[in-house]
Formats: sequence, C-alpha cells, structure tokens
Amino acid sequence: EAGVAQSPRYKIIEKRQSVAFWCNPISGHATLYWYQQILGQGPKLLIQFQNNGVVDDSQLPKDRFSAERLKGVDSTLKIQPAKLEDSAVYLCASSAGTASFYEQYFGPGTRLTVT
Amino acid sequence: KQEVTQIPAALSVPEGENLVLNCSFTDSAIYNLQWFRQDPGKGLTSLLLIQSSQREQTSGRLNASLDKSSGRSTLYIAASQPGDSATYLCAVRYSGGSNYKLTFGKGTLLTVNP
Repeated sequence: EAGVAQSPRYKIIEKRQSVAFWCNPISGHATLYWYQQILGQGPKLLIQFQNNGVVDDSQLPKDRFSAERLKGVDSTLKIQPAKLEDSAVYLCASSAGTASFYEQYFGPGTRLTVT
Repeated sequence: KQEVTQIPAALSVPEGENLVLNCSFTDSAIYNLQWFRQDPGKGLTSLLLIQSSQREQTSGRLNASLDKSSGRSTLYIAASQPGDSATYLCAVRYSGGSNYKLTFGKGTLLTVNP
C-alpha cells in the first residue's frame, strides 16, 4: 500500500514570506497529524485531525500557522508570515484511528529553511 | 510535565557490537511506547510498539523492554551493522488525554563503524 505522501520535499523562503505544505495520508486513515521537528529535537505535534475535524491544536502557533483538511483526506499546513525559528522539518503522519493501539505512519517530511 | 528523555544523545560503536539505547519517561501512566528509526532526510519508521501491559517486544536483532514502574525503556540492538546507523527516537503515549498523542524524546544518533 502507498505510504504517506508529502510535498514539496524542500523549501527555502525568506522571512515574512508565506509557505504551504501538502500531505496525502494512507488511504482510509481517518486521523492525520502534523509535526514540527527542529534540528536536534524530537517531533512536536502541531495539530491532529480526525476526519476533517480538529482534535488537538494546542501547540499550533495560531497567529501564523493554519491547517485544514476539508474533505477528510488531504491536508495543507500554511505558515504566514514565516520567521527564522520556523526552520524545521514538517512531518505528516496518519493512522487508522485515534485509539492508543493505532500506529502512526510518517511521510518523508518537508524541510523548510527560512532565511 | 510529561517528558521523554533519551540517553546518550550520540553513540559510536564498531560493527558487530551489541548495544543498548535508553529512554526514560516522567509518568508511569502510559498506553504504550514506540521506538522509531529516522534516517537523514527521511521520515520516521516504526521499529517496535510495546503496549503498557507488555514487558518486551522483539523484531529480528532488535529487542525493546518496558518497565513502567521505573519509567524506563531500552532498545537492544544485537550484532550491530553499518546499516543500523541512524537516529533512534523513543515516543510515549501518555494516558489521560483524549487524543493519544505521541510525546517524543530528542533521539540517539547511532553510528556503526565498519
């Protein structure tokens, strides 16, 4: 089965510009996650969707970050305007459900560099 | 605060050695613990998932143990190979929340030298 797809793989922008990332989860997976991984750190959950509803966005910087999953499948994560500290790898993951026994499957990530 | 700590931050060993990676967590109320591997420029690959009721899980040369009472897990890699070189991440699902989110450690960067 196809894995989690993300694009673009790499993006370089200047501070104050905007950027968007796209994620296509594994077919049939109801739960989708966006993580931010800063160099040398573990991934940090930004937002979790169950179908097209938000389950947890407590660590999403809502003044500049937004995410949507309109039809309960694909998702986009947007940053506007970007800051230098947003340089990181943005990982998308999906799972069949939210229960604790469901494994999360990760995409390859998008590496963002803000200059 | 629910945290996950991994020691050491980096480890370099010669090929063929057996090695242990350590993970500690601050709250024993967990659903499960998961070990991931991350290669440079790649996403995370799940290695082993241990439910809170289990003591260990094995897959090939990998063995992960879980001791909830002490808040510790170890990942044992037998007969290490250069292809094992990667960052190994430990992640915990703490109980109490409604979303079963993963809390990650910072990882251990493993280098296996030929």
